[in-house]
Amino acid sequence: QQQVKQSPQSLIVQKGGISIINCAYENTAFDYFPWYQQFPGKGPALLIAIRPDVSEKKEGRFTISFNKSAKQFSLHIMDSQPGDSATYFCAASPEGNSGYSTLTFGKGTMLLVSP
Amino acid sequence: EPEVTQTPSHQVTQMGQEVILRCVPISNHLYFYWYRQILGQKVEFLVSFYNNEISEKSEIFDDQFSVERPDGSNFTLKIRSTKLEDSAMYFCASSRTANQPQHFGDGTRLSIL
Repeated sequence: QQQVKQSPQSLIVQKGGISIINCAYENTAFDYFPWYQQFPGKGPALLIAIRPDVSEKKEGRFTISFNKSAKQFSLHIMDSQPGDSATYFCAASPEGNSGYSTLTFGKGTMLLVSP
Repeated sequence: EPEVTQTPSHQVTQMGQEVILRCVPISNHLYFYWYRQILGQKVEFLVSFYNNEISEKSEIFDDQFSVERPDGSNFTLKIRSTKLEDSAMYFCASSRTANQPQHFGDGTRLSIL
């Protein structure tokens, strides 16, 4: 029940295209859903996050869509660029004793944006 | 931009030895975390730390592991009697408050021989 299932495992998108990564969860106590971007040799960096009181959040070319009833959320990268090539992780956390500290990560999606 | 720094970047240790991984969180952050990522697998939560005590810990964080904030800047993860399966990338993270985003360091790659 603690799992966050992420798909696809890898994704190739042409420059200018839309990259879509999906995640699903079971634990209804999850209350915070961030997406992290990780480049080789670096730690995960927060990209965008959403709480379930909204169905969509947009920051620049990155949009999270959230479907509470289906327990699914997705990351859309519009106008994908070669510099977006990285591994993307979705995550989720309940609100616990120390806030949203216990992040459960998906297995990651390796995105390659071809020039 | 302030960042979380971790040392060393790569640690090689013999099985059964103790290892200490070091982290310097962002200076005005109050919450500290350790995660690990076994090669090819997902990032897994180990422990969170606030006000000089553990707030949350996962099943992975057993008696082999301990954390400490020995001074005002460092946050350490100690692994006693390391095992082969402890080989992983270990990430430290910090956040200003419990509900603020966590900022990750670049990790320490731990290799147990």
